[in-house]
Amino acid sequence: GAGVSQTPSNKVTEKGKYVELRCDPISGHTALYWYRQSLGQGPEFLIYFQGTGAADDSGLPNDRFFAVRPEGSVSTLKIQRTERGDSAVYLCASSFDPDSTDTQYFGPGTRLTVL
Amino acid sequence: AQRVTQPEKLLSVFKGAPVELKCNYSYSGSPELFWYVQYSRQRLQLLLRHISRESIKGFTADLNKGETSFHLKKPFAQEEDSAMYYCALSPTSGTYKYIFGTGTRLKVLA
Repeated sequence: GAGVSQTPSNKVTEKGKYVELRCDPISGHTALYWYRQSLGQGPEFLIYFQGTGAADDSGLPNDRFFAVRPEGSVSTLKIQRTERGDSAVYLCASSFDPDSTDTQYFGPGTRLTVL
Repeated sequence: AQRVTQPEKLLSVFKGAPVELKCNYSYSGSPELFWYVQYSRQRLQLLLRHISRESIKGFTADLNKGETSFHLKKPFAQEEDSAMYYCALSPTSGTYKYIFGTGTRLKVLA
């Protein structure tokens, strides 16, 4: 079946602009995660959804970052007033059941560049 | 603090040589541990996880709780093993968010 998809694959924006990044998880997966990967680093957790609700948003760096998952499937990560430091690859992952042993399946990522 | 450490940014070996990618973790409890691999221009994908105790593509990893390590090993490296490898930890309570190491780039030379 289809894996996790993310759009756009690349996004270039100017400092101060607003961006939205979309994630389409594997059908039937209830858990959805957003991670951010900066150059030379491993992915870092941003936010986790169980169904429609954000169960853990402790990784969001500040209030410019927000994410939604209104129908428990597709999720959108929103970044306001972008800064050059927001440049990174944003990864989405989903899993069937939120359990420590359950495999997270990753999307291809969105590469965000803030000029 | 929960942390995963991969001390080597780059590891170069010749084809047919043994490979060991190091991973150490810090976690107050018994975490679940994973190795993910990212081949060139592909997405992150699961290579193996300790709970499965399986060998994938010739790779194995043993959890050593005493040394808090989960090193990845392969007896004979192949050129197609060249990739970026990430060790990840999942807590066993609360949010099952992964904590990743910084990754090791493996280059297998002909």
